[in-house]
Amino acid sequence: QVRLVESGGGVVQPERSLRLSCAASGFTFTSYGMHWVRQAPGKGLEWVAVIWSDGSNKYYADSVKGRFTISRDISKNTLFLQMNSLRAEDTAVYYCARDQRGGTHSSGWFDPWGQGTLVTVSS
Amino acid sequence: EIVLTQSPATLSLSPGERATLSCRASQSVDNYLAWYQQKPGQAPRLLIYDASNRATGIPARFSGSGSGTDFTLTISSLEPEDFAVYYCQQRSNWPPTFGQGTKLEIK
Repeated sequence: QVRLVESGGGVVQPERSLRLSCAASGFTFTSYGMHWVRQAPGKGLEWVAVIWSDGSNKYYADSVKGRFTISRDISKNTLFLQMNSLRAEDTAVYYCARDQRGGTHSSGWFDPWGQGTLVTVSS
Repeated sequence: EIVLTQSPATLSLSPGERATLSCRASQSVDNYLAWYQQKPGQAPRLLIYDASNRATGIPARFSGSGSGTDFTLTISSLEPEDFAVYYCQQRSNWPPTFGQGTKLEIK
């Protein structure tokens, strides 16, 4: 079955960097767009970034543009989120999620989701 | 950016009752709306997409309706496992955005 497992979260000081990983299995990784979605403690959901199935396009939320980079390693079926210049407001559980439908363009629906990894930005 | 407003913030019902959750968009999203369920300590789960299509494995008691700016998620007869937080999400305009959630709690 489809499985997404995030890792790499932890406590980091403001202005430092962190890289999250999401190991994917159970589906053809290169056939689906992949997303990062985050949830601040006790708050709602915020979409962060997407990489299209062919890797040709990447889009970001305005709140992270210029600081975060989404990428992938298709040889390892792994999605990444490089987070630089971290701020307190980036504190959240970060989920990776697969696009619901395969294909070049993102369907914009997220299914399934990984279990999430917590990032805490604090001095 | 499209803003989604969910109501009510909290809904208190008993098992077996019918639940009706609302989501209103700040501008038309056509039928490009989804619903997710999130239980404490778990990741969200897709329930409904394209306003009215049930995702794989979702029970028939969950149904979605609406188009344009007003949408509804209906749970026909609440089961104990349905008490959770529900989010709507649009993908009509980039970036995708979520509502603030409705907490469905046991009365």
